[in-house]
Amino acid sequence: NAGVMQNPRHLVRRRGQEARLRCSPMKGHSHVYWYRQLPEEGLKFMVYLQKENIIDESGMPKERFSAEFPKEGPSILRIQQVVRGDSAAYFCASSQIGTLDIQYFGAGTRLSVL
Amino acid sequence: GQQLNQSPQSMFIQEGEDVSMNCTSSSIFNTWLWYKQEPGEGPVLLIALYKAGELTSNGRLTAQFGITRKDSFLNISASIPSDVGIYFCAGQGGSEKLVFGKGMKLTVNP
Repeated sequence: NAGVMQNPRHLVRRRGQEARLRCSPMKGHSHVYWYRQLPEEGLKFMVYLQKENIIDESGMPKERFSAEFPKEGPSILRIQQVVRGDSAAYFCASSQIGTLDIQYFGAGTRLSVL
Repeated sequence: GQQLNQSPQSMFIQEGEDVSMNCTSSSIFNTWLWYKQEPGEGPVLLIALYKAGELTSNGRLTAQFGITRKDSFLNISASIPSDVGIYFCAGQGGSEKLVFGKGMKLTVNP
């Protein structure tokens, strides 16, 4: 039973480019969460999605960041026109219906903006 | 917004020693979770707590959900080298999002 799969593990972008981070939840999980972690810090909530719906995006920056979880395929976190301050580790977590508090994390995508 | 204060920030211990860490919150949580993160990896769930006063063990790990619902502690007994990592507390209030502490970096000297 595969865990939460994130790709790519490492992503390098130049300022102004777009970054696309993918997350496939655990089998049977229909809730996806995205968190960002800066060096020496804890994880900070960004967005919570169910299939085809954004439930809570209170942690998402108002500009350049967007997230989706389509009916088919992985969840995507998209960062447009990246800046150096976007460099961080981005983690996806998933949970099962009815047990929303147990979130299982992927290994993360480490984004470096040059 | 909700904040978690996790302490200590780091600990250096000898193999075989016990270690304790705690988290306090400015607001009430309904669930407390403890995760461990190793370099280059995502957080791995260690223990989940659901009720005030609850004391739960997982092998050499013991965690408690404070009576006030604003704090939790984690204890690791008889530490071994593979306990090395960063330990995070996380709380969940009225929504699904988790609020994380800043982590406690544990170093175990063999």
